[in-house]
Amino acid sequence: GNSVTQMEGPVTLSEEAFLTINCTYTATGYPSLFWYVQYPGEGLQLLLKATKADDKGSNKGFEATYRKETTSFHLEKGSVQVSDSAVYFCALNMNRDDKIIFGKGTRLHILP
Amino acid sequence: EPEVTQTPSHQVTQMGQEVILHCVPISNHLYFYWYRQILGQKVEFLVSFYNNEISEKSEIFDDQFSVERPDGSNFTLKIRSTKLEDSAMYFCASTISVGSNYEQYFGPGTRLTVT
Repeated sequence: GNSVTQMEGPVTLSEEAFLTINCTYTATGYPSLFWYVQYPGEGLQLLLKATKADDKGSNKGFEATYRKETTSFHLEKGSVQVSDSAVYFCALNMNRDDKIIFGKGTRLHILP
Repeated sequence: EPEVTQTPSHQVTQMGQEVILHCVPISNHLYFYWYRQILGQKVEFLVSFYNNEISEKSEIFDDQFSVERPDGSNFTLKIRSTKLEDSAMYFCASTISVGSNYEQYFGPGTRLTVT
């Protein structure tokens, strides 16, 4: 079946460090890929998305590129801030009316 | 900006009781979903709903669960007889249509605590 695997957390970094959170997927066909963020005590917010191979999603300094050849969608940010501390979920869906399949989430702690 | 709303934000109930979780999707959206997140675990799909019927449900969504869109604006999730393991954050989501430019918008969630 379709699934998402992302790196285990927690990930702890110092402010201004470079961030990578790895995500790979398994899917029959061509999914759309997403990163969602969940700040403490809040719900899920879409951070960025990519709908086809080689697309790059970007938002708030975060980027991820849809790599079909490696079935990956790694999240990166060049310089993290304390306010980026949250849980990040990689996710996919096959059609816009289909369910979203989430990874297990990666908790990110940024130290000042 | 339009948003999905959910009430209550926190519900505490005793095991065996019925609970109804409420969601108001974005007004022109047509596809509706419930997901849940047990504390510290991943978000899991429960059910999708379109055109006044369930389009897909997961193995979690057993006979104790039901969904309804009673009045064209609300979308409810009912758990008939709650169990301890139903304690989780429940998220409602909606989307307008099929197609590459459309995405699911999530509500803030209802935290259900079963004691």
